[in-house]
Amino acid sequence: QVQLQESGPGLVKPSETLSLICSVSGVSISAYYWSWMRQTPGKGLEWIGNVYHSGRTEYNPSLKTRVILSADTSNSRLSLNLTSVTAADTAVYHCVRQPTGSYGQGDFWGQGAQVTVSS
Amino acid sequence: DIQMTQSPSSLSASLGDRVIISCRASQSINIFLNWYQVKPGKAPQLLIYAASTLHSGVPPRFSGSGSGTEFTLTITGLQSEDFATYYCQQSHTIPRTFGRGTMVDIK
Repeated sequence: QVQLQESGPGLVKPSETLSLICSVSGVSISAYYWSWMRQTPGKGLEWIGNVYHSGRTEYNPSLKTRVILSADTSNSRLSLNLTSVTAADTAVYHCVRQPTGSYGQGDFWGQGAQVTVSS
Repeated sequence: DIQMTQSPSSLSASLGDRVIISCRASQSINIFLNWYQVKPGKAPQLLIYAASTLHSGVPPRFSGSGSGTEFTLTITGLQSEDFATYYCQQSHTIPRTFGRGTMVDIK
């Protein structure tokens, strides 16, 4: 049974770095591509980026200078680091599985981690 | 970036109704179009991918159509569990982009 569990601090101060982990179980990280998305009441869903089992990454240009995604296949974990956060980064962050050789669909989503940026 | 325009932004419907949600891309995306259902506090669920392919386990009352720039999601025979917000997403080009969502609530 596939499980994706996001974890991290629920509260981050402005200008600091947001760090999240996605623990993957029931499936090999190497068998899929992975994405991070975020969800806000005002803007809806936003694609943050993709991380491939090869280590290759693709980022949303709007976040590219502040975000780093990585995949740790040994420990079945994905990580997201977002620097210099502001209130606009307050959102629910999801890790998402994407089948390889697919149409880029996210076929399985984690429940999400609520992150609030506030002093 | 490819802009995805969804309409309507919200709609009210009754159980058993047929609901149609539209999504338009600002440039051709072939069939690289996905539909998701989002409920508060729950993980988003993939409904349709490649414009018209039903994701495993999704009830057949959901269907998708379209190609190029015009797409639709149809729910035939609305059920109580279908009251949610629906998003289209293009996966043709980086950055992946979403529509602003369509909230389906009870009339």
